Amino acid sequence: GENVEQHPSTLSVQEGDSAVIKCTYSDSASNYFPWYKQELGKGPQLIIDIRSNVGEKKDQRIAVTLNKTAKHFSLHITETQPEDSAVYFCAASIMEGYSTLTFGKGTMLLVSP
Amino acid sequence: DAGVIQSPRHEVTEMGQEVTLRCKPISGHDYLFWYRQTMMRGLELLIYFNNNVPIDDSGMPEDRFSAKMPNASFSTLKIQPSEPRDSAVYFCASSSDRDLREQYFGPGTRLTVT
Repeated sequence: GENVEQHPSTLSVQEGDSAVIKCTYSDSASNYFPWYKQELGKGPQLIIDIRSNVGEKKDQRIAVTLNKTAKHFSLHITETQPEDSAVYFCAASIMEGYSTLTFGKGTMLLVSP
Repeated sequence: DAGVIQSPRHEVTEMGQEVTLRCKPISGHDYLFWYRQTMMRGLELLIYFNNNVPIDDSGMPEDRFSAKMPNASFSTLKIQPSEPRDSAVYFCASSSDRDLREQYFGPGTRLTVT
């Protein structure tokens, strides 16, 4: 089955800096890669996703990149703000059929004012 | 929409007791997922349903765990008997038939077994 590795496990940045979280996956058939943000005491919330037919996707201050050859994808957050502090999870899946999400272990991002 | 609703939010019980966690998915969603989250293992999929039918329960750790979905608006996850190693946060999530991978999570139930 699919295996998703996520790094780093913790990341501390100063407000205004950029943050990058990286994930690798093992199943070359995976073609859907979402990112979830989990705030303290809440469930994970989908913030952005990318499908294998594109290499990059942006939404305001967040962007995701995908390298299918190397089987890795990354989340980029620019101009970080304290409210970006949370745990971020990457996941991988196959769009077709009953394939579900395989999650990485998560990255705790702390943005200091 | 109220989103996915889970109850209770916190549960503290003694080893050997039965625990029942409850979930109400988003109205109109056809898929329902139960996850367990721990520091050591991260987010693990336990079981999921499509149109109230269990599709994959390979993530259920052992026979002490069972899940039901008697109708489209309600699901339960039961642990009997509970053990300290079952302590975790349990999440329910739902998604529409259009894309089972775009999942909406509930706030979770924090279970502590002493």
